[in-house]
Amino acid sequence: AQKITQTQPGMFVQEKEAVTLDCTYDTSDPSYGLFWYKQPSSGEMIFLIYQGSYDQQNATEGRYSLNFQKARKSANLVISASQLGDSAMYFCAMREGRDSSYKLIFGSGTRLLVRP
Amino acid sequence: SQTIHQWPATLVQPVGSPLSLECTVEGTSNPNLYWYRQAAGRGLQLLFYSVGIGQISSEVPQNLSASRPQDRQFILSSKKLLLSDSGFYLCAWRASSTDTQYFGPGTRLTVL
Repeated sequence: AQKITQTQPGMFVQEKEAVTLDCTYDTSDPSYGLFWYKQPSSGEMIFLIYQGSYDQQNATEGRYSLNFQKARKSANLVISASQLGDSAMYFCAMREGRDSSYKLIFGSGTRLLVRP
Repeated sequence: SQTIHQWPATLVQPVGSPLSLECTVEGTSNPNLYWYRQAAGRGLQLLFYSVGIGQISSEVPQNLSASRPQDRQFILSSKKLLLSDSGFYLCAWRASSTDTQYFGPGTRLTVL
């Protein structure tokens, strides 16, 4: 079974508008971490935001916020005031606490295109 | 601040040839190091990770191997490349006190 599911292969958003990228996860581990990474066409994976399973508040980093709904097992990324430079692939990833390697399990990604 | 380097940036190799990709981290000590591979249009898959010099754990059995000869150096190797080894290889590091992994610029490998 998929541990991380990103159901939106591609998304469009108008410049300066907000956009939500969906991510659902599956784990029975009570301790886990959720991450979002941005991958521009250059290929580098850029860390955006992190949410721990025990964090009470939703994580925010500048224009990025993570809408964490634990009961629904969802961790959607919200980008406010989209910019042309936000056009990229976005990956949701999870780290399960019981795995001592701290490896990340990635979703298949969402390609975001910001229209001028 | 910490920096992670990978080289080469791109590589085209014939089937059956050897491979050596290098990753180095600056500005931190005793990092956990990771090698991931990304097939075209897909997410990343963990290949190897290392918690210290000479300590390598393999996640996926294949014809690749990894070594960590120095604290901040991680090498991915193969004796004989296969067509299926083509992909984008990313190295990442993590401080032992945190969850977050930070990635290098990657190496795009094409095996012909």
